[in-house]
Amino acid sequence: GNSVTQMEGPVTLSEEAFLTINCTYTATGYPSLFWYVQYPGEGLQLLLKATKADDKGSNKGFEATYRKETTSFHLEKGSVQVSDSAVYFCALSLTGGGNKLTFGTGTQLKVEL
Amino acid sequence: SAVISQKPSRDICQRGTSLTIQCQVDSQVTMMFWYRQQPGQSLTLIATANQGSEATYESGFVIDKFPISRPNLTFSTLTVSNMSPEDSSIYLCSVRAGEPYEQYFGPGTRLTVT
Repeated sequence: GNSVTQMEGPVTLSEEAFLTINCTYTATGYPSLFWYVQYPGEGLQLLLKATKADDKGSNKGFEATYRKETTSFHLEKGSVQVSDSAVYFCALSLTGGGNKLTFGTGTQLKVEL
Repeated sequence: SAVISQKPSRDICQRGTSLTIQCQVDSQVTMMFWYRQQPGQSLTLIATANQGSEATYESGFVIDKFPISRPNLTFSTLTVSNMSPEDSSIYLCSVRAGEPYEQYFGPGTRLTVT
């Protein structure tokens, strides 16, 4: 079956630190990959996506590269801010799969001054 | 993109009762999805609702417990029936809109069953 594995949180960083949140996937086919962010008390927002191998998704200083050879889609940001504190979800969707999203368990990020 | 609203935003309900959650989208969409996010957990798809057809439920979810209506291309409801404390979760509506494979989520309905 299809699955997404994320590094466990919570992750606590100082402001301006480098962020990596690991995400690997298992899929029967060629998935599209996504990162969603959930700020405290809010719903999920699409942060970035990549639809084929070697694509790089980027938004708000975050980026992730679709690595087919390692089945990974790690989220990175060079310099985090307190406002980046949120829960980050990696997800996949398969072509022909009715656009159903399979989510990882989420990684909570806390950025401190 | 799509702007999605949900009602109610939160509710506290007694065991054995039912609650209907409404989802309204600002544009016409073919596919709508209902997810459940249990406390501290990830999202689990409950069902996919296409206008004009019966909802398709995921393994572990049944129509008697989670009946869904989809009367038009901008609106859907999810009912949580005969609630128990285990149904305490955030329920989220989602739609596919815009570019392929992009889904947008509503703000969620936080349900507490006592």
